[in-house]
Amino acid sequence: AQSVTQLDSQVPVFEEAPVELRCNYSSSVSVYLFWYVQYPNQGLQLLLKYLSGSTLVESINGFEAEFNKSQTSFHLRKPSVHISDTAEYFCAALFLAGNNRKLIWGLGTSLAVNP
Amino acid sequence: NAGVTQTPKFQVLKTGQSMTLQCAQDMNHEYMSWYRQDPGMGLRLIHYSVGAGITDQGEVPNGYNVSRSTTEDFPLRLLSAAPSQTSVYFCASSYRGKDTQYFGPGTRLTVL
Repeated sequence: AQSVTQLDSQVPVFEEAPVELRCNYSSSVSVYLFWYVQYPNQGLQLLLKYLSGSTLVESINGFEAEFNKSQTSFHLRKPSVHISDTAEYFCAALFLAGNNRKLIWGLGTSLAVNP
Repeated sequence: NAGVTQTPKFQVLKTGQSMTLQCAQDMNHEYMSWYRQDPGMGLRLIHYSVGAGITDQGEVPNGYNVSRSTTEDFPLRLLSAAPSQTSVYFCASSYRGKDTQYFGPGTRLTVL
């Protein structure tokens, strides 16, 4: 069965510390992977995505994620976080099986950056 | 472009009342979806549409109806509101083949 698991529901971290938000998926078909961010009282917005090509993808605000097919993971990392990175982060996977496409969401990870 | 817009931003209903949540997008996206977001449960798909005149059920469709008469609009109707429908509702759209979803700002609904 296809699934997306975010391994941490909450991640507290101090400002300027590194952070990793973990995401694993389960699939026997091809997959596109996404990270979305939701700032307080806002809708979700795309942070970065992996469709094909280089397995390391980056966002404009310093986040990066690496597609690891052997470990079926797409962990999100940032070497130094800011207070403004406090948000909910969602991993999502679009499973591709011929003409069938199914988007599955993780339950989210709440990142709290403390001063 | 305004992107995806949703109205109202907040709504309080009494049990049994009906209402329509509005969603519109100006990006000519074919795909539109409605999600609800509840604490600890992530995003759950209610209904979706792959184009004007075509709608289908998601994982939690009971108690909700949708229609898609135009590419731009995708309203969500609550037929008889229940406290279990208290949630934050998000509308999203995407361009077929591009797969990135664009979300509206959400509607926070409380059913008393």
